[in-house]
Amino acid sequence: EDQVTQSPEALRLQEGESSSLNCSYTVSGLRGLFWYRQDPGKGPEFLFTLYSAGEEKEKERLKATLTKKESFLHITAPKPEDSATYLCAVQAPLIYNQGGKLIFGQGTELSVKP
Amino acid sequence: DADVTQTPRNRITKTGKRIMLECSQTKGHDRMYWYRQDPGLGLRLIYYSFDVKDINKGEISDGYSVSRQAQAKFSLSLESAIPNQTALYFCATSDGRDRGNTEAFFGQGTRLTVV
Repeated sequence: EDQVTQSPEALRLQEGESSSLNCSYTVSGLRGLFWYRQDPGKGPEFLFTLYSAGEEKEKERLKATLTKKESFLHITAPKPEDSATYLCAVQAPLIYNQGGKLIFGQGTELSVKP
Repeated sequence: DADVTQTPRNRITKTGKRIMLECSQTKGHDRMYWYRQDPGLGLRLIYYSFDVKDINKGEISDGYSVSRQAQAKFSLSLESAIPNQTALYFCATSDGRDRGNTEAFFGQGTRLTVV
């Protein structure tokens, strides 16, 4: 069964304290791994797509990496405005009635204190 | 204006009532989805549609139905609402022209409470 597990469930950091969020997955034929940011009361906002092991993508203080079993979202010198829930999702195998369907993890709630 | 618009944003309804949540998009995407989000359970897929004539059940479709009225409109109905359908509901779209990997764009959500 396709599954996505994120850890930790919650992470509290001081401003400037770098850390990483983990997303472990099991899926038959990974088509893509997605990271989203979700602010309270809002819809998820797309951050990155990773397609193959070894791939890395960066955006401001965030860097996402991918291995065959997991992905990391590294946060360098975070600021309070980085506080949000970060969601990881994998894309189901590319069969017509499955393609495009995302399987989400439970998310990591990040809090960055000044 | 938002690319993916959900109405209403908040709704309180009574057990047994029929309720419809609406979603419209201006992104021109073929694919539309309905998810629900519950604390500790993440986002779970209810229904999805790849074009106007296509409707597919997701992992938790029982108690729900959908209608794809046009490429830009996808509505979710609860025929007889029950309290455990209290949740945050999201509509999402993605581009179907590329059948590879494309990100999904989400609406702002509808917070539904069934009392």
